[in-house]
Amino acid sequence: QVQLVQSGAEVKKPGASVKVSCEASGYTFTSQYLHWVRQAPGQGLEWMGVINPSAGSTSFAQKFQGRITMTRDTSTSTVYMELSSLRSEDTAVYYCARGRWGKRNSYYFDYWGQGTLVTVSS
Amino acid sequence: SYVLTQPPSVSVAPGQTARITCGENNIGSKSVHWYQQKPGQAPVLVVYDDSDRPSGIPERFSGSNSGNTATLTISRVEAGDEADYYCQVWDSSSDHRVFGGGTKLTVL
Repeated sequence: QVQLVQSGAEVKKPGASVKVSCEASGYTFTSQYLHWVRQAPGQGLEWMGVINPSAGSTSFAQKFQGRITMTRDTSTSTVYMELSSLRSEDTAVYYCARGRWGKRNSYYFDYWGQGTLVTVSS
Repeated sequence: SYVLTQPPSVSVAPGQTARITCGENNIGSKSVHWYQQKPGQAPVLVVYDDSDRPSGIPERFSGSNSGNTATLTISRVEAGDEADYYCQVWDSSSDHRVFGGGTKLTVL
């Protein structure tokens, strides 16, 4: 069965960086794009960006351009999301999610990781 | 870019039908997907491509999409359906995956 297992909770100081991992299993790692979505406390879902595990290519939401990096390790079927210059507003649960193409050139997320809480506090 | 509008809350009695809407100009031209999120848990896909259900999702969950509104319908609502529900589309013009603001379903 498809599983996405994320790394544990992190506490960071403002200005620092955080790197969250997401290990995929149960399917061919390079066959589906993996995305990162975050959710601030009491708020909705916010798409951050995507990585193609095969080519390593990435695309990010405008809001995060310049402060986000996504990488992958095909030997361990793991993707990483690193967010730099952290501020208190980045306190959120970060999810990885597998993307699938649907009808009419649409796109959805069929499997999600369990989430990683990142707390930014001085 | 796309901004998907959902009502903040919907309340329904057990056994009744809940309808959660997702609005945007001409949303009927896109495929809409829906997620259920219970407190402290990751989102779960409940409807994709407007009206298809992933395996394991009860037939009580259905969807429709036309004009400026997409709708998630939950029939014979149960206490366990109480959750936040999010709609989502792909905005091809910006290559962004866009979520609605979410609707809290309360089962009275």
